[in-house]
Amino acid sequence: AQSVTQLDSQVPVFEEAPVELRCNYSSSVSVYLFWYVQYPNQGLQLLLKYLSGSTLVKGINGFEAEFNKSQTSFHLRKPSVHISDTAEYFCAAWDNYGQNFVFGPGTRLSVLP
Amino acid sequence: SAVISQKPSRDICQRGTSLTIQCQVDSQVTMMFWYRQQPGQSLTLIATANQGSEATYESGFVIDKFPISRPNLTFSTLTVSNMSPEDSSIYLCSVEMVDEAFFGQGTRLTVV
Repeated sequence: AQSVTQLDSQVPVFEEAPVELRCNYSSSVSVYLFWYVQYPNQGLQLLLKYLSGSTLVKGINGFEAEFNKSQTSFHLRKPSVHISDTAEYFCAAWDNYGQNFVFGPGTRLSVLP
Repeated sequence: SAVISQKPSRDICQRGTSLTIQCQVDSQVTMMFWYRQQPGQSLTLIATANQGSEATYESGFVIDKFPISRPNLTFSTLTVSNMSPEDSSIYLCSVEMVDEAFFGQGTRLTVV
């Protein structure tokens, strides 16, 4: 079965600084990987996804992620964060066996003025 | 894509009572999923709801506590029964395709 790990539960960063949120997955087969964002009191919104093709994926709000098969990683990056990026970020993978999504524990990004 | 309407958005309930959460999708889908998100935690899958058959529950969740209905391909309900304060969570429904998962806005439940 698929599992997703997010090593950092909380990441504080100053406004306009770069940020990287880490995600690792477990699988020996093809994977479909996702990053979702959850703003306070809201549902989950897709940031970006990797299904195939280029390993560098660009998403909304200036975020991008790189799929690294050898390191089984899918880290999320943004070169310059804004206060409005403060939210919970979830890495997720499609589990072919269970035919459902598996979510990581989440990383709370706090952007400080 | 899919647009999901979930209601209520929030509720405060007395312990021992039950709450039914509704989830409406703007297109026909085979499977719908119900998640629980406890405060400060990630999403935990409660069950998968298929139209025309009983829901499939994950370990730790039982039908008596979380009965689910799936009367057609666009609608599902989750009931949280005999509530206790430990049931205070956000409950989310979703539709999942291999290339994306779509979520309702969630129901924030507080049990007092």
